Formats: sequence, C-alpha cells, structure tokens
Amino acid sequence: GAGVSQSPSNKVTEKGKDVELRCDPISGHTALYWYRQSLGQGLEFLIYFQGNSAPDKSGLPSDRFSAERTGGSVSTLTIQRTQQEDSAVYLCASSPRGTRTGTSGANTQYFGPGTRLTVL
Amino acid sequence: AQSVTQLGSHVSVSEGALVLLRCNYSSSVPPYLFWYVQYPNQGLQLLLKYTTGATLVKGINGFEAEFKKSETSFHLTKPSAHMSDAAEYFCAVIHFGNEKLTFGTGTRLTIIP
Repeated sequence: GAGVSQSPSNKVTEKGKDVELRCDPISGHTALYWYRQSLGQGLEFLIYFQGNSAPDKSGLPSDRFSAERTGGSVSTLTIQRTQQEDSAVYLCASSPRGTRTGTSGANTQYFGPGTRLTVL
Repeated sequence: AQSVTQLGSHVSVSEGALVLLRCNYSSSVPPYLFWYVQYPNQGLQLLLKYTTGATLVKGINGFEAEFKKSETSFHLTKPSAHMSDAAEYFCAVIHFGNEKLTFGTGTRLTIIP
C-alpha cells in the first residue's frame, strides 16, 4: 500500500525560473490538497481538488501559482517566475473523499513527504 | 484571525514524565479537530482526531486528547514520555463548510533523558 508520493524531494532553482512539483495521491483518493510549510508562515493551505476540479483555491498566494489535476489522480503545482519568498516545503495530502463529505465523519488527510524548494 | 492557538512553541519533558501539549480553537461552531506529528525531514502523520461522539479520543503511540467545548480546547496528553516522542506537534482544525486544515504554529517537544 503506497502512500502519497511527491517529486522531486528537493528542488533548487534560480530566482525567476519556473518550477513544477508533482504529487501522486493514494490510489482511489478523490480529494487532494496542497499545503506550504515555511519558517515565517507555518503550515498554510494552498488549494483543494475534488476529482479534477478545484472548488477551493483560496490559499494560492499569487497568480504565479497554479495547480492542475488530471485523471483524478496526479497533481502538479506550478510556480512561475519564482521568488526567494517561495522557498518552503510544499506538502501534498490526499483523502478518500472530501473531509466533510465522508459518511463516517472527517476523513483523514494523508500527507506525503514534501518537496523542499529553495530559490536562490 | 488566528483560529488555532498552541501555547508553547517549545516544550521539554523528562523521559517517563507526563506530556501535555495545549491547543485552543476559536469558532462559534465546534470544528473537526486533529493532532499531527512531524518527525525531522518527514511529512505529517495523524495522531488522532475528534469529529463527533466521545470527547476523549485515543490515538497512536499512546497519545490521547480530550475535546472540551466549554473551554474550546483539545489538549494532547501522554502519561509517560519516550525518547521517540521527540518531534514537532501540530494541532489543526477543519471549520464547518470547509475542507482545508488550518494549523496551529506547532510545538516542538524535546525529551530529556
């Protein structure tokens, strides 16, 4: 039983470059979440997918950030024109259903190991 | 507005002593409540959660937490600390009508041999 996987585990890039971060959720999980963990801001929600649609994008910090999900599975978080303040660990999580729509109460969000992004 | 408050960014306890990590939430409607643990260079692992029903919930590794609506609290406890408990602990909530986790600032737990 594979868990949530993320790639790459580490990414070093230069300011102004674009980066793509990948998340493979647990097979069969319809809900997928992206979070960011940084020293200054702690753990922050970025975006939530249910299937291939994103009903909540409220955490994306700017229009340089975008995400997509295809086939109800893999998701890619793209950061364009990276800035030093984008340096953080980007965490992905998945859940069997949306947390509030589960019939047995809140479904657990299972987290991946994260991608550490460093912008020089 | 801060909706999850963890008191104490660093807590140190002796091995074998009681662990108490504090969490308070601010919400007019009780949210779903979670405790996650993060070991160095790893992702987040769920320790326990409260949704409905019994207010004392037991989790993995001997941890438990009690939901107290009157105090808007969900403190995490473990009767006897073990060296392997050294990690960062995050309290989190999911508010009504939302799907996202809102995290506290975390508490780093150090175990003294």
